[in-house]
Amino acid sequence: GAVVSQHPSRVICKSGTSVKIECRSLDFQATTMFWYRQFPKQSLMLMATSNEGSKATYEQGVEKDKFLINHASLTLSTLTVTSAHPEDSSFYICSARLGSGYEQYFGPGTRLTVT
Amino acid sequence: AQSVTQLDSQVPVFEEAPVELRCNYSSSVSVYLFWYVQYPNQGLQLLLKYLSGSTLVESINGFEAEFNKSQTSFHLRKPSVHISDTAEYFCAVTALRGYQKVTFGTGTKLQVIP
Repeated sequence: GAVVSQHPSRVICKSGTSVKIECRSLDFQATTMFWYRQFPKQSLMLMATSNEGSKATYEQGVEKDKFLINHASLTLSTLTVTSAHPEDSSFYICSARLGSGYEQYFGPGTRLTVT
Repeated sequence: AQSVTQLDSQVPVFEEAPVELRCNYSSSVSVYLFWYVQYPNQGLQLLLKYLSGSTLVESINGFEAEFNKSQTSFHLRKPSVHISDTAEYFCAVTALRGYQKVTFGTGTKLQVIP
């Protein structure tokens, strides 16, 4: 149980375009989802916390107009990287939390490459 | 606020040898502690967790970690590693109450040498 999927697993886009990444909890309802960014050989940096039906809470230094997060249902959150630039290339990982519990279940990640 | 320190960025070890991956944390409140494993180009998988009770926790694949409150440590150990254990290991903490944001360490890459 507690499986989280991400789509796509890899995406290559041209500079200036936008790309959407989906995060789904497959067998549970996630009231809270998290979006992380991981640079090569570095740890995960929390970008934002997404609660179903409300606006996402962004971490300091994360541009909310560039990284649009929508948590439209209890099983789906999306991250849209708008006007992507090469420096946005990274590994993006989402996680979902079951209820108000402590444990997060992670998706397999999305490798974004902006050319 | 919490912070996690993993001093070793890489740990090479021969197959069947023991290994210890170090993790120290700091926090002004009580925390839950986790170890996650990440295989190349994959997301994180929970390896084991400490919530309360026995300070020694074990995973199904032979890893164990011991919570030491006085030393604020949660080191990960395995008595005999296998090639398949080659991966990145992240220590993480979250506060027992409140926002429950998870703070990750910088990771330790375990390289098992045949």
